[in-house]
Amino acid sequence: QVTLRESGPALVKPTQTLTLTCTFSGFSLSTSGMCVSWIRQPPGKALEWLALIDWDDDKYYSTSLKTRLTISKDTSKNQVVLTMTNMDPVDTATYYCARSIAAREFDYWGQGTLVTVSS
Amino acid sequence: QSALTQPASVSGSPGQSITISCTGTSSDVGGYNYVSWYQQHPGKAPKLMIYEVSNRPSGVPDRFSGSKSGNTASLTISGLQAEDEADYYCSSYTSSSTPYVFGTGTKVTVL
Repeated sequence: QVTLRESGPALVKPTQTLTLTCTFSGFSLSTSGMCVSWIRQPPGKALEWLALIDWDDDKYYSTSLKTRLTISKDTSKNQVVLTMTNMDPVDTATYYCARSIAAREFDYWGQGTLVTVSS
Repeated sequence: QSALTQPASVSGSPGQSITISCTGTSSDVGGYNYVSWYQQHPGKAPKLMIYEVSNRPSGVPDRFSGSKSGNTASLTISGLQAEDEADYYCSSYTSSSTPYVFGTGTKVTVL
């Protein structure tokens, strides 16, 4: 059974760095083809893909946010970590992690974690 | 990378059929058969409904179907039911520097 769960702070201040952790089970990120992405959704708005890391430690980022994002993995802990620097109120959103195979569809999602950026 | 274009809202009566369009470019929807569709109920995570244009994951009712023509993909819900009321998003692989793009989202209302 594949599950993913996001964790991190619910509130961050402007200019701070956000660190989110995706802890998953039911698959291994060392298996060929496996990928984990971060996707966010501001309140009442559409989904936005942010970043992906694959089994081979290749990393891909949203062009518009590339300078602020870092994605990494700890295969032994079954975790993927996303950091986003210089947080702004417009970054207020629910952040999801999701699995894909060979960078195709997102077949399993976490429940999401709401991050509010406010002073 | 611009978001794929979807109608903001679509509505239908129970039992009717509705179709949601998802328009992109030859660099995404038109260039690859990696279009997927997601259903999202309020306060819930998205759920995969269609992958690779027209394939349904196990457990998704067969009243959901997908297709593609040129740069536009479509999701059709036949025999609309009350529980189908939700937001729907398309997504596509892209040949740009970012591998994924989502659609703008469509709110489906069951009248």
